[in-house]
Amino acid sequence: NAGVTQTPKFQVLKTGQSMTLQCAQDMNHNSMYWYRQDPGMGLRLIYYSASEGTTDKGEVPNGYNVSRLNKREFSLRLESAAPSQTSVYFCASSEVDRYEQYFGPGTRLTVT
Amino acid sequence: AQSVTQLDSQVPVFEEAPVELRCNYSSSVSVYLFWYVQYPNQGLQLLLKYLSGSTLVKGINGFEAEFNKSQTSFHLRKPSVHISDTAEYFCAVSPQGGYQKVTFGIGTKLQVIP
Repeated sequence: NAGVTQTPKFQVLKTGQSMTLQCAQDMNHNSMYWYRQDPGMGLRLIYYSASEGTTDKGEVPNGYNVSRLNKREFSLRLESAAPSQTSVYFCASSEVDRYEQYFGPGTRLTVT
Repeated sequence: AQSVTQLDSQVPVFEEAPVELRCNYSSSVSVYLFWYVQYPNQGLQLLLKYLSGSTLVKGINGFEAEFNKSQTSFHLRKPSVHISDTAEYFCAVSPQGGYQKVTFGIGTKLQVIP
């Protein structure tokens, strides 16, 4: 099993450009999450999807949109990137009512 | 609402010495507690968790943590560290019944010195 995979691993964008971060899991988990990790701030939840067909805002949703494409895939879109969105983005998944989250390797995004 | 405080941003320790990484939490409801580890350029992985039962929890790689409800703490310990333990450690809390709502601390970087 690959677990949680994310693409791309690295990306550089210019201010105003758009892009989609892809995430897929092969553990048959119902719940999926997007976090951003910034120095001195730990991980902050952007959006989550408790199950296929549902999405909810987390702590820092502004400037992002998500799509739960199917049970396996959960994408994060930046419509108009800003330098404040420079960060490392992690996707994670878990089973319903199970508290352990499984993380992907991350996407390092730089917005200039 | 809940919050997590990791009191030390960096902890240097010599190889084979003991280490304690401190974590305090605040919540208005009952919580579950976790420690995750992040090795360089990798995602987080679960080290150990406290859901119920014994307040002393053992995890992978020889780590253990003790839940102290009166002091709202969940400190992580290892009696003898190895170079391979060099990583960033995150304490996390989730309200019971709210598995989606995990709050992470800012992390503690453990540097093991040979």
